[in-house]
Amino acid sequence: AQKVTQAQTEISVVEKEDVTLDCVYETRDTTYYLFWYKQPPSGELVFLIRRNSFDEQNEISGRYSWNFQKSTSSFNFTITASQVVDSAVYFCALSEADFGNEKLTFGTGTRLTIIP
Amino acid sequence: DVKVTQSSRYLVKRTGEKVFLECVQDMDHENMFWYRQDPGLGLRLIYFSYDVKMKEKGDIPEGYSVSREKKERFSLILESASTNQTSMYLCASSPGGKNNSPLHFGNGTRLTVT
Repeated sequence: AQKVTQAQTEISVVEKEDVTLDCVYETRDTTYYLFWYKQPPSGELVFLIRRNSFDEQNEISGRYSWNFQKSTSSFNFTITASQVVDSAVYFCALSEADFGNEKLTFGTGTRLTIIP
Repeated sequence: DVKVTQSSRYLVKRTGEKVFLECVQDMDHENMFWYRQDPGLGLRLIYFSYDVKMKEKGDIPEGYSVSREKKERFSLILESASTNQTSMYLCASSPGGKNNSPLHFGNGTRLTVT
């Protein structure tokens, strides 16, 4: 069975600080996909990134970066120079590489609050 | 842009009522999903469908059923609503195929069962 753990329930940081959201996953599959979604107060989940299990390169997109380490089964998300608009609930998710079947297993989410 | 539309943002129903939550997507996606979101539990998959008239149980299907008569529409049905089904319900769709594409979510329906 697949499992995603986001141990940090809530994090608060002062604006412009860096913050890392942790994600640890469990799966028996050798091929899988990892995702991060953002849920702002409006409620709609917004896709941030997808990573497949064969690609361990770190990724940077503006102030966002992701660190994927298969050795520790982790897929951590860092926001650099945080801004108030980054306040949201962030979900890490995992899917099997069962082509055409894209159901996701989600973590419990981390509520991030950026204090102005 | 893909649009996933859930018919109601807020819904209040009484215990024992039959409840329909409707979801429509406009991008000809093969796959559609219903999740519920509860504090401390994240999102849990109720049912999904990868084709018209096809459905598969997710992790928590008890007390729910679904209907997919047309490709663009996926309905979640609570046969006899109970208070423990008070939750936020999120519909999502995806293209299907080989690339495990991201899911596109609707804004959610917050259901209260009294």
